Amino acid sequence: DVVMTQSPLSLPVTLGQPASISCRSSQSLVYSDGNTYLSWFQQRPGQSPRRLIYRVSNRDSGVPDTFSGSGSGTDFTLKISRVEAEHVGVYYCVQGTHWPQGFTFGPGTKVDIK
Amino acid sequence: EVHLVESGGGLVKPGGSLRLSCVVSGFTFSNAWMSWVRQAPGKGLEWVGRIKSKIDGGTTDYAAPVKGRFTISRDDSKNTLFLQMNSLETEDTAVYYCTTFGDLSPDYWGQGTLVTVSS
Repeated sequence: DVVMTQSPLSLPVTLGQPASISCRSSQSLVYSDGNTYLSWFQQRPGQSPRRLIYRVSNRDSGVPDTFSGSGSGTDFTLKISRVEAEHVGVYYCVQGTHWPQGFTFGPGTKVDIK
Repeated sequence: EVHLVESGGGLVKPGGSLRLSCVVSGFTFSNAWMSWVRQAPGKGLEWVGRIKSKIDGGTTDYAAPVKGRFTISRDDSKNTLFLQMNSLETEDTAVYYCTTFGDLSPDYWGQGTLVTVSS
């Protein structure tokens, strides 16, 4: 089964500074149709998860360009260009390529303010 | 606007059963593949299972920890998704979210319903 890892697991950031989260999969996430089904989610404290990025680098509607996704194959990155207080929460990567194993989430990266 | 509202959570004893519901609006439910994801208290996200639309066969897939105990079904006439949970274990204690299934990713989420399995 594919395993998702993230680093770091905890990320204290100064307001206004950039942040970067790494996500790695144990197998390639390139699907038979040529697409790579890696997405990123934000979960603010006490809230449901919200999708930010799908297919590696596509921002969902309403997601500011402060967030960007990149990567290929097995290595992916979520970047926040300038961290704001509202960005505090846990960020998860998830793969949707390998079925019937199903969605596999990374362990999450907790972002907070220094 | 897409809305998903889960209900049916509560306290149940180990070995017991519970049925969760998720009423949706804002999209054509009958065409949608749907999923359940859970989150144990203070823990990360765990996929539970999915159901395809009837036109795509209506088949289901489940995560290994719940296979054979949980069943996902749907009532397209009522825009409702279900999760029947049997033989519940303390490890099943979690907030259960229903999600839509867009671009091979859980795109829209409900607010979740808490299931507590305890004697």
